[in-house]
Amino acid sequence: GAGVSQSPRYKVAKRGQDVALRCDPISGHVSLFWYQQALGQGPEFLTYFQNEAQLDKSGLPSDRFFAERPEGSVSTLKIQRTQQEDSAVYLCASIEASTDTQYFGPGTRLTVL
Amino acid sequence: GNSVTQMEGPVTLSEEAFLTINCTYTATGYPSLFWYVQYPGEGLQLLLKATKADDKGSNKGFEATYRKETTSFHLEKGSVQVSDSAVYFCALTHFSGNTPLVFGKGTRLSVIA
Repeated sequence: GAGVSQSPRYKVAKRGQDVALRCDPISGHVSLFWYQQALGQGPEFLTYFQNEAQLDKSGLPSDRFFAERPEGSVSTLKIQRTQQEDSAVYLCASIEASTDTQYFGPGTRLTVL
Repeated sequence: GNSVTQMEGPVTLSEEAFLTINCTYTATGYPSLFWYVQYPGEGLQLLLKATKADDKGSNKGFEATYRKETTSFHLEKGSVQVSDSAVYFCALTHFSGNTPLVFGKGTRLSVIA
C-alpha cells in the first residue's frame, strides 16, 4: 500500500497512564526504527528492529519504554506510567533495503498532562 | 559521537529568493548525509542524499554537496516558492547494519509571496 502509517495521530494521557502507539510499516520492509521528537528538536533514536528481532534498544530513555514487533510487521511502542517529559512526537520509519532509505510515518503526538 | 549542527531558524524569505541552510557534521569515517523536509501536518520526507565525498544530491530544485574537507552539507535552492515553507532537517548515518539517523535540530523556513 501507501506509506508508513501510525496510530493514533494524537494521544492525550494523564500522568501515570499507560499508552500504546502503533506503527504499520511499508509492506515488505524488514527494518524498522522508532524515534522521539521533542518540540523544536530533531528526532532522536529510540530502538531498531530487523524482522521481529529488536537489535538495538539503546535509545529507550527508561525501563518504562517497551517496544515489540512480534510478527515482523506491525510494531507497538508502549510507555508505562507516563510522565510529562514523555510528551513528544513519536516517529516510526521503515527501510527500503535496496536504497537504504528510511521512510517515515506521520508520527503520534503524545501529550501527558 | 556523531552529531549534526544546522543553522537556527526561523528563516523568512520572499518568493524567488535564494536559499542556503547551513549544515555541518561530526562523525567518524565516511557517513552518508541527508536532508529531510517536514511539511505542516505531514511526516518527514527524504529530500535528497549523498553517500560519498563530493557527491551532489538534488531534488525539486534543491541541491547539497558533500564536502569532506569542511564536513558540511549545505542545502541550497536558487528560487524558493511559498510551497517550500517547511522544516528542514540535516541528518547522517553510517550504513553498516542499518544504523539510525542522527538529526540536526531543524530549520523552519517560511516563504512569503
